[in-house]
Amino acid sequence: TQLLEQSPQFLSIQEGENLTVYCNSSSVFSSLQWYRQEPGEGPVLLVTVVTGGEVKKLKRLTFQFGDARKDSSLHITAAQPGDTGLYLCAGAGGSGNTGKLIFGQGTTLQVKP
Amino acid sequence: KAGVTQTPRYLIKTRGQQVTLSCSPISGHRSVSWYQQTPGQGLQFLFEYFSETQRNKGNFPGRFSGRQFSNSRSEMNVSTLELGDSALYLCASSLRPGTGSLSTGELFFGEGSRLTVL
Repeated sequence: TQLLEQSPQFLSIQEGENLTVYCNSSSVFSSLQWYRQEPGEGPVLLVTVVTGGEVKKLKRLTFQFGDARKDSSLHITAAQPGDTGLYLCAGAGGSGNTGKLIFGQGTTLQVKP
Repeated sequence: KAGVTQTPRYLIKTRGQQVTLSCSPISGHRSVSWYQQTPGQGLQFLFEYFSETQRNKGNFPGRFSGRQFSNSRSEMNVSTLELGDSALYLCASSLRPGTGSLSTGELFFGEGSRLTVL
């Protein structure tokens, strides 16, 4: 069974601080997606990374896919209260798993003003 | 265009009852996936439908079932409800089926149906 482990599970920081969320697996994925979910809503896709070593930037968010395509990270620079939410990584296309996304447990981020 | 619509948004049932949840995908999307989200387990894949056919199924008991209609709308049913079935049930639609090695398609999620089993 493929698993994606996210760390940390909870993060509470002050506005302006930087943070990194990690998503690790022992399995190789063809692509990895990051979603953000706010209370009372469904997850919304932030980015998809496909190539090993790929780095994508979305304003203050930087996403990286590991060279071996087994892990990924999300770095937020100068966090703002609007960044508060649940961040989920999801792997696609792993071995024997071509039909569904495997989600990590999520990282709950709270950014205090 | 309208997003994914799930109904009902909230419902309360008692053990032993059954429940049916509905999902209307984004217009033009033919693939619908269902996920169960709980604080302890996170998002767990239930099943995926494309063109009225179940393409993939997660590791849930047979009490969980679903179907898709010709207009791509989907329903999921849970029979003989248990306390542990309390969760947020999320539906997601996409243009093409599966998220296999050739697919990096985005999933568009609805707001979910929050089920409480007493």
